[in-house]
Amino acid sequence: DAGVIQSPRHEVTEMGQEVTLRCKPISGHNSLFWYRQTMMRGLELLIYFNNNVPIDDSGMPEDRFSAKMPNASFSTLKIQPSEPRDSAVYFCASRSGGTVSNQPQHFGDGTRLSIL
Amino acid sequence: DAKTTQPPSMDCAEGRAANLPCNHSTISGNEYVYWYRQIHSQGPQYIIHGLKNNETNEMASLIITEDRKSSTLILPHATLRDTAVYYCILSNAGGTSYGKLTFGQGTILTVHP
Repeated sequence: DAGVIQSPRHEVTEMGQEVTLRCKPISGHNSLFWYRQTMMRGLELLIYFNNNVPIDDSGMPEDRFSAKMPNASFSTLKIQPSEPRDSAVYFCASRSGGTVSNQPQHFGDGTRLSIL
Repeated sequence: DAKTTQPPSMDCAEGRAANLPCNHSTISGNEYVYWYRQIHSQGPQYIIHGLKNNETNEMASLIITEDRKSSTLILPHATLRDTAVYYCILSNAGGTSYGKLTFGQGTILTVHP
């Protein structure tokens, strides 16, 4: 079975540019999570979707960050304009069972983002 | 969510059992114990989880004490590929927590030849 698929795997861009990260969750999973990992702050939850609806976006750093889930098989995380401090590895994870679930989250291999 | 305490690092010889401890003295009754690991440059990988009873799967065993204040992840025959950061995480499946995972610093397990 295919796992969570993220693209691109690596992204290098200049400060001020728009960045779009993509995620395809595991088929049948109705919960999707975006995380960010840095050396300083570790792994942090950015936003949680259930059935394509954002449930908790309290971890989104600021208005420059936005996330969408137009359908059950696709989500995007967009940064506009990007800044060097946004450099990090961004992970997407999905899970079955909805908002009340003890099912485990399964992670993609991440997008390594470098903002110059 | 309640916090967990893990040793920052551990060593294990290849072929031996790796026993990774986790303290969670303030765990609440409806919080599950989850274990994930992260191998360098990869996404976190789910290992196992449990509520009260001990659990075993093809990767590992999870031993939870009767008072649920601590747990141990056991990798029965560690290999070099088990070298990773191991995270012990408490999560409430329902309510406002929605099974949210909050990652700490974890334990760096190094398996030696």
